[in-house]
Amino acid sequence: GENVEQHPSTLSVQEGDSAVIKCTYSDSASNYFPWYKQELGKRPQLIIDIRSNVGEKKDQRIAVTLNKTAKHFSLHITETQPEDSAVYFCAALRGDNSGGSNYKLTFGKGTLLTVNP
Amino acid sequence: DTGVSQDPRHKITKRGQNVTFRCDPISEHNRLYWYRQTLGQGPEFLTYFQNEAQLEKSRLLSDRFSAERPKGSFSTLEIQRTEQGDSAMYLCASSFSTSGATDTQYFGPGTRLTVL
Repeated sequence: GENVEQHPSTLSVQEGDSAVIKCTYSDSASNYFPWYKQELGKRPQLIIDIRSNVGEKKDQRIAVTLNKTAKHFSLHITETQPEDSAVYFCAALRGDNSGGSNYKLTFGKGTLLTVNP
Repeated sequence: DTGVSQDPRHKITKRGQNVTFRCDPISEHNRLYWYRQTLGQGPEFLTYFQNEAQLEKSRLLSDRFSAERPKGSFSTLEIQRTEQGDSAMYLCASSFSTSGATDTQYFGPGTRLTVL
């Protein structure tokens, strides 16, 4: 099955700096890669996602890049703010028509991002 | 709030008791997922429904666990004879998709289970 590795496990940056979180996946058939932000005691919230037919996607201060050949994808947050502090999870999914299965997300172990004011 | 809702938000039970959790997906979402999250880990897939049909179950889902989605709307997850190792956050997610599409999953707030 799919295996997703996420690094680093903790990341501390100064407000205004950039933060980068990296993930690798094992299943070359995975084609959908979302990123979720989870604040303490709250639900995971989708912040950005990318599908395997594109290499990069940007939404304001957040961007995600995908390298299908190397099977890795990264989250980039620019101009970080204290409210960006949270745990960030990457995930991979192989969505296809094979018997209606394979729509499960496989998550990394998370990165605790702390933005210091 | 039109997002995914879960009830109860917290459940404390004694080992050996049965517990049942409920998930109400976003209206008209045809897919519903259950995940389990333990401290310091990402969510782990448990099971998935398309409408009322349960299409996939993880090996994590022992025979003490059962999930239903009888009318293709809300879902219940029951754990029988709870064990301390069942203590975790149980997350529900839902999505809407046409056949073959890869869809965005929206998560509920979770039910935190503590087994004493």
